[in-house]
Amino acid sequence: NAGVMQNPRHLVRRRGQEARLRCSPMKGHSHVYWYRQLPEEGLKFMVYLQKENIIDESGMPKERFSAEFPKEGPSILRIQQVVRGDSAAYFCASSPLSRTANTGELFFGEGSRLTVL
Amino acid sequence: AQSVAQPEDQVNVAEGNPLTVKCTYSVSGNPYLFWYVQYPNRGLQFLLKYITGDNLVKGSYGFEAEFNKSQTSFHLKKPSALVSDSALYFCAVRVPTGANNLFFGTGTRLTVIP
Repeated sequence: NAGVMQNPRHLVRRRGQEARLRCSPMKGHSHVYWYRQLPEEGLKFMVYLQKENIIDESGMPKERFSAEFPKEGPSILRIQQVVRGDSAAYFCASSPLSRTANTGELFFGEGSRLTVL
Repeated sequence: AQSVAQPEDQVNVAEGNPLTVKCTYSVSGNPYLFWYVQYPNRGLQFLLKYITGDNLVKGSYGFEAEFNKSQTSFHLKKPSALVSDSALYFCAVRVPTGANNLFFGTGTRLTVIP
């Protein structure tokens, strides 16, 4: 049973370009969460999605950032017109759908490290 | 709103000595509490959790944590530290009736000195 898969692991972009980060949850999981970790800081919640629905996006910046989790395919975190301050590690996590299977913890991917030049 | 505090950015301990990494929380209702560990350039690995029941929970790699409701604390402990325990440790909280996302503390960097 493969874990949470994120790609790319490393991404370099120039200011003004777009960054797309992908996340495939664990098999059987239908909840996806995105977190951002800035250098020497903790994890900040960004967005929580279920298939085709954004459940909570209270941590997402109002501009340039968007997320989706389509019916088919991975979840995508999209950052438009990147700036240097977007340089960070972006982590995806997943959890199962049913309450009986959901024991509370999230399962994390290895992260995507974005560097903006 | 829920929050988690890890008052120590850095904890140093000698190999073989007991270690404690502190965590306090603020949440309305009964919390779910978690500890995760992060090694360099890696994702977060789940260590242990408290949902209900016995206040002392045991987890991976010999770690344990004690839930103290009166002090709103969930400190991580290990009787004898290993050099390989050196990593970044995160405490997290979730409200069981709320959204499923976890709220993390700022992390504590543990260094075990040989």
